[in-house]
Amino acid sequence: EPEVTQTPSHQVTQMGQEVILRCVPISNHLYFYWYRQILGQKVEFLVSFYNNEISEKSEIFDDQFSVERPDGSNFTLKIRSTKLEDSAMYFCASSEWGNLGHGYTFGSGTRLTVV
Amino acid sequence: AQSVTQPDIHITVSEGASLELRCNYSYGATPYLFWYVQSPGQGLQLLLKYFSGDTLVQGIKGFEAEFKRSQSSFNLRKPSVHWSDAAEYFCAVGASDYGGSQGNLIFGKGTKLSVKP
Repeated sequence: EPEVTQTPSHQVTQMGQEVILRCVPISNHLYFYWYRQILGQKVEFLVSFYNNEISEKSEIFDDQFSVERPDGSNFTLKIRSTKLEDSAMYFCASSEWGNLGHGYTFGSGTRLTVV
Repeated sequence: AQSVTQPDIHITVSEGASLELRCNYSYGATPYLFWYVQSPGQGLQLLLKYFSGDTLVQGIKGFEAEFKRSQSSFNLRKPSVHWSDAAEYFCAVGASDYGGSQGNLIFGKGTKLSVKP
């Protein structure tokens, strides 16, 4: 069964450093997403991406965040200057049609720890 | 605003016992509803979904859920729990600003299921 692959599984970074979280969506999917889950809290939507541009973003997704599809296979989330409160599990997801009726396929997540 | 509530943070059941995980949602239109499961170290796996038709939905691994519009609920059930079902379960509603089929997922906080031998 096709999978969404995320790397690394766990990343520790110092506050103020830049981090890039990587995702390889399912190859024929066109819509891509990032969600995050702070420990003990809800999984929250960050951003959706289609046709090489952001289609929707939440209030969480401020100027410190950016997304990119640099080479047609990877989908990355960059946090420019990490803060302690960015510590969370970050999930990438992809969808063939962006249609809620079909749901999305999620990766196994990257646990980001900012120290 | 759309929201999802899972009132039970942690549930423990004995293997072979029945299970019901509660989920309530708040959404103005007919919702898209999902249950996801997350095993340790794994991603979010879709168990089942509902967006129209029969209100009793069958999913993978023997799970089912029933959509009750009058109660704004979408509870997940399984008649006989197996030890491998121990995981965290997330209810989610698909929210579209314009009521269409594209949008994003709003998750509940999750319910952790432990299974006693």
